Amino acid sequence: GAGVSQTPSNKVTEKGKYVELRCDPISGHTALYWYRQSLGQGPEFLIYFQGTGAADDSGLPNDRFFAVRPEGSVSTLKIQRTERGDSAVYLCASSKSGQLDSPLHFGNGTRLTVT
Amino acid sequence: KNQVEQSPQSLIILEGKNCTLQCNYTVSPFSNLRWYKQDTGRGPVSLTIMTFSENTKSNGRYTATLDADTKQSSLHITASQLSDSASYICVVSDSTRGQNFVFGPGTRLSVLP
Repeated sequence: GAGVSQTPSNKVTEKGKYVELRCDPISGHTALYWYRQSLGQGPEFLIYFQGTGAADDSGLPNDRFFAVRPEGSVSTLKIQRTERGDSAVYLCASSKSGQLDSPLHFGNGTRLTVT
Repeated sequence: KNQVEQSPQSLIILEGKNCTLQCNYTVSPFSNLRWYKQDTGRGPVSLTIMTFSENTKSNGRYTATLDADTKQSSLHITASQLSDSASYICVVSDSTRGQNFVFGPGTRLSVLP
């Protein structure tokens, strides 16, 4: 079956521009997570959705970052006024229920480069 | 602050050899611990999930151990293969914020022929 799909796989943008990153979770997975990973580091939590609502957005670094999941499936991470420090790989993961023992299934990420 | 530390930062071994990766955490209260394998350019893939009451779990050539008293975990890889070359990430969640997983920085393993 299809796994978690993220598009685009690579995105290059200029400082100050707006970008949208898309995540298609595994069908039927109610929980969806966004992470940011810098080179040589582990993923850093950004936001967690349970269904359509953001259950925990404590990882969003500032108000330039926003994410939505309007129909409880596809999610979009939106970054306004991008900065060079936003350059990283943005990973999306989904899990079947969001229960503590439910494994996370990751996409291959979107590599964002801000020039 | 909840933290997860891993050692070594990187490791090079010859094909067929065994190795052990370490994870120390300060996350409290503890809920579960996961080990993930991340190939270059790919997302992490779950290897094992361990709860407080479990102290060992195997998945093929991978065996994870957990000592919740000392807050340490290890991942042992037996008879390594070239395809084991990847980053191995330890992830811990606390029971008060179970959906906020704390990721370690990973150990970069290189298996050479």
